[in-house]
Amino acid sequence: EAQVTQNPRYLITVTGKKLTVTCSQNMNHEYMSWYRQDPGLGLRQIYYSMNVEVTDKGDVPEGYKVSRKEKRNFPLILESPSPNQTSLYFCASSFGEWNTQYFGPGTRLTVL
Amino acid sequence: SQQGEEDPQALSIQEGENATMNCSYKTSINNLQWYRQNSGRGLVHLILIRSNEREKHSGRLRVTLDTSKKSSSLLITASRAADTASYFCATDADAGNMLTFGGGTRLMVKP
Repeated sequence: EAQVTQNPRYLITVTGKKLTVTCSQNMNHEYMSWYRQDPGLGLRQIYYSMNVEVTDKGDVPEGYKVSRKEKRNFPLILESPSPNQTSLYFCASSFGEWNTQYFGPGTRLTVL
Repeated sequence: SQQGEEDPQALSIQEGENATMNCSYKTSINNLQWYRQNSGRGLVHLILIRSNEREKHSGRLRVTLDTSKKSSSLLITASRAADTASYFCATDADAGNMLTFGGGTRLMVKP
């Protein structure tokens, strides 16, 4: 089944404790991206990747890192999480940056 | 920055009625997409309309695009309670590698 998976789905952590949210897709998509969704602000893109070893900043990259060592995986790293990073995070992938995006189920992160 | 802005922010209708949502954007686009999101879940792609298309249909969905007005509309005909969700438009900027989403329209269809 074609899908985008994210782990964990729910995470409660404390300020400053490094964490990684994994994202994996099995559709051989070149393009992958991370979004955060906050009430009243819609979806905002954090980082995106056009292909392996090619990443770039989206609208709100501060406080986040990504890597794209393999085509299928695109982890989101928070080196020192802060409470303002409490949000619902979505990973998405597609064959091109302007094509249909396939979204993961979301990761709800709470930073205390 | 938000390229697409949906209107209205919230819409409540009775089952069987039609629902119309609008999206306005600021810069030239190559295509515009509509997505649906059930509460707290991932977005699901509904339909993509290219800049050289004016209208597109998919089942009960009808999307129009007016590039001169920089706007699009999504019409859901004969709505069902299961259509209750948030609907987002997304656009690609004419230059750039990002898809930008609007704030969404929350649709509630009452049985």
